[in-house]
Amino acid sequence: QVQLQESGPGLVQPSETLSLTCTVSGDSISSFYWSWIRQPPGKGLEWIGYIYSTVSTVYNPSLRSRVTISLDASKNQFSLKLNSATAADTAIYYCARDRAGCRGSNCYRWFDPWGQGTLVTVSS
Amino acid sequence: SSELTQPPSVSVSPGQTARITCSGDALPDQYGYWYQQKPGQAPVVVIFKDNERPSAIPERFSGSRSGPAVTLTITGVQAEDEADYYCQSADSSGTYVIFGGGTKLTVL
Repeated sequence: QVQLQESGPGLVQPSETLSLTCTVSGDSISSFYWSWIRQPPGKGLEWIGYIYSTVSTVYNPSLRSRVTISLDASKNQFSLKLNSATAADTAIYYCARDRAGCRGSNCYRWFDPWGQGTLVTVSS
Repeated sequence: SSELTQPPSVSVSPGQTARITCSGDALPDQYGYWYQQKPGQAPVVVIFKDNERPSAIPERFSGSRSGPAVTLTITGVQAEDEADYYCQSADSSGTYVIFGGGTKLTVL
């Protein structure tokens, strides 16, 4: 059974880079798409982006200029970097496995399972 | 940009049927998905590809579609179903993922 675990600093200084890692166990990271999703305290979900293999990434247009998602197959991990962090980036950050594909012209993508989430606060 | 709209809150008594509808311009062309999130926990998918249910999800959860809207139905609501529910889909190109704002289901 695949499990995901987020790790990284819980406090980030404004204007610095927010960096998180997701460690995957129970499955090969090379076989699936993987996403980052965040949730500001008391608010809704926002998809950040996904990665497949080491070269295919797609980012939310609202965050594209500040986001990098990368993958380390040797460690079965993928990572998130969000530059120029502000208080608006304070959120619980989740990593998740994408269930994605296409049957003919019908494409699908949902998220299962998710990591437990990690709270990152941007504050001085 | 594409958006998904769902009611902020729905309230039902135990044993009744709860329906949460999610609408969006891109929904006629994209599948809808539903997640349940309980306090302090990560979201869990309860419906995928409009109306398919993961094996671990109780049969009282079902999904349906009508044009630009998808609906999550919980038949015979139980106290344990009290949670936030989020719909998810994609933009019209199918490239970007979008979530609805969430619906808080209260079991009276």
